[in-house]
Amino acid sequence: DGGITQSPKYLFRKEGQNVTLSCEQNLNHDAMYWYRQDPGQGLRLIYYSQIVNDFQKGDIAEGYSVSREKKESFPLTVTSAQKNPTAFYLCASSRRTGTSSYEQYFGPGTRLTVT
Amino acid sequence: AQSVSQHNHHVILSEAASLELGCNYSYGGTVNLFWYVQYPGQHLQLLLKYFSGDPLVKGIKGFEAEFIKSKFSFNLRKPSVQWSDTAEYFCAVNVVGKSTFGDGTTLTVKP
Repeated sequence: DGGITQSPKYLFRKEGQNVTLSCEQNLNHDAMYWYRQDPGQGLRLIYYSQIVNDFQKGDIAEGYSVSREKKESFPLTVTSAQKNPTAFYLCASSRRTGTSSYEQYFGPGTRLTVT
Repeated sequence: AQSVSQHNHHVILSEAASLELGCNYSYGGTVNLFWYVQYPGQHLQLLLKYFSGDPLVKGIKGFEAEFIKSKFSFNLRKPSVQWSDTAEYFCAVNVVGKSTFGDGTTLTVKP
């Protein structure tokens, strides 16, 4: 089955701890994305990567970091510098051709709660 | 930077009513446009997309959208909604790989 895997589904952390969210895809897509979804605010782009070993900041990158060492993996670290980390995090991937990006395929999400 | 505005936060319709959800974007250049849907308990999935060509695009489950370049709009339509269309709908624009989503519209269809 091709798709995007995010683990775990629920994650609980204490304030001040860094936490890494996993995202793996077996769709052979070049581009991968991380979003944060809060009620009434839609999806906000945290980071995106169009190719291995390269990534760009999205609209709300502060307090987050990513790596893209392998095509199929794009882990997101929520650092202690993120002021309001409790949220639902979605990972997505897409094909791309030149400057065009195709539709995104989404994972099931990880709900992070920091207390 | 691009932005996306969805006009309606919550729409309530009876079955068989017609639907139009508004979406406007701000970006002066070439864009790729999408509507995604999130049914209760399911992943976000693509409803339809526009890259170029015919500005009227058809998607799954009888949905369609019209790209009006002069109005920077990409409104979603369906002539007759069903109870199973109850979901959250997101408009999105992609510019050179960077995606921006609207805040979403929750559609509730009463049987």
